[in-house]
Amino acid sequence: QLQLRESGPGLVKPSETLSLACTVSGVSISSTHYYWAWVRQPPGKGPEWIGTLYDSGRTNYNPFLQSRVTISVDTSKNQFFLSVTSVTAADTAIYYCVKHLTIGASRYNFFDPWGQGTRVTVSS
Amino acid sequence: EIVLTQSPDTLSLSPGERATLSCRASQNISILLAWYQQRPGQAPRLLIWDASNRATGVPARFSGSGSETDFILTVSSLEPEDSAVYYCQQRRDWHLTFGGGTKVEIK
Repeated sequence: QLQLRESGPGLVKPSETLSLACTVSGVSISSTHYYWAWVRQPPGKGPEWIGTLYDSGRTNYNPFLQSRVTISVDTSKNQFFLSVTSVTAADTAIYYCVKHLTIGASRYNFFDPWGQGTRVTVSS
Repeated sequence: EIVLTQSPDTLSLSPGERATLSCRASQNISILLAWYQQRPGQAPRLLIWDASNRATGVPARFSGSGSETDFILTVSSLEPEDSAVYYCQQRRDWHLTFGGGTKVEIK
């Protein structure tokens, strides 16, 4: 069964870089069937898509975050990563790693399943 | 950016009642909308994709309808475990966006 688990520091100082990892189990992250993404949810608000890693290695980012975000992958460890530079209090959120919905051989820009999430607070 | 507006903010109903949640898009998104359920302390869970398709394992009491700019999520007969916040999300534009959510409270 496919599972995703986020890991990383729970506290980051303003202006520093937030770095998270997502460990995927149950499937190979390099499979051509799957797209992977990061979504965050600030306290009391709805989710916000951060960016997607496609099977080709191409990435696509939320235009509001694009200048500060990088998603990368390490297929040998079956992990993908999120980096957000120059963080501020507005980056405080629960960060989820997710897989895009797959129906047969088709991939959709919806998210299923989700990891359990990791809470990140930006504070000095 | 496509803005999704959900209403009402909160719905308070008794077990067995019917819940009707609305999601309105700022422009035509065809049927390219999903609904998620988020129970307290949990990650969101996909319920409905492309407006009316139930995701794997979702009970039949959940149904979705609508197209273009107006969408509805219906829970035909509420169960206590349906207490949650429900979000809509569009995939019409590559900048994927979510609504602000509707909280469903079970009396």
